[in-house]
Amino acid sequence: DAGVIQSPRHEVTEMGQEVTLRCKPISGHNSLFWYRQTMMRGLELLIYFNNNVPIDDSGMPEDRFSAKMPNASFSTLKIQPSEPRDSAVYFCASSQRETSGSDTQYFGPGTRLLVL
Amino acid sequence: AQSVTQLGSHVSVSEGALVLLRCNYSSSVPPYLFWYVQYPNQGLQLLLKYTSAATLVKGINGFEAEFKKSETSFHLTKPSAHMSDAAEYFCAVRPRRGYSTLTFGKGTMLLVSP
Repeated sequence: DAGVIQSPRHEVTEMGQEVTLRCKPISGHNSLFWYRQTMMRGLELLIYFNNNVPIDDSGMPEDRFSAKMPNASFSTLKIQPSEPRDSAVYFCASSQRETSGSDTQYFGPGTRLLVL
Repeated sequence: AQSVTQLGSHVSVSEGALVLLRCNYSSSVPPYLFWYVQYPNQGLQLLLKYTSAATLVKGINGFEAEFKKSETSFHLTKPSAHMSDAAEYFCAVRPRRGYSTLTFGKGTMLLVSP
């Protein structure tokens, strides 16, 4: 399996521009997670989907952030308008949710975003 | 709410020395516990997880962790450090009751010197 695929790997943009990050989860997985990692705040969960439905978006910073999962093999995280404080590494992860809760999350390589 | 504490943001060892990275959780009911590793400019990779079978869990790359309920701990160890072990290590928890997302610790950077 190719693992979780994220694109782009690096993104440099100017403040005010729209940014779209993309994720392809591992085939067969039914849960998808978006995380943000910064030096100051560590690893933060932004939103998580189960069977393409958003379950918990309490970590989304503000209305400038939105996420969609139109089908089981694709998700986007959009920032509009972007601000310098959004600069971070954004990770997508997927898992096959188990009723026991012991499932493993598999992470993509991340998108390194720099907003100037 | 579940929380996890990793003692020490940085740990330095010499090559060949014992590696010990500490993780403590706060929960009255033992949660599921995970250790992840992040190499520079990469995503997180699962090292091992505790789901309630054996209390000593063996993972990849020679790492293991022991679940100790009395100490609410799940420390990660490796008998002999390699230069390639230099990375950031994250402990994470998930409660057993209901379904919830992972809660990650702040991470510990392992530095290995020759």
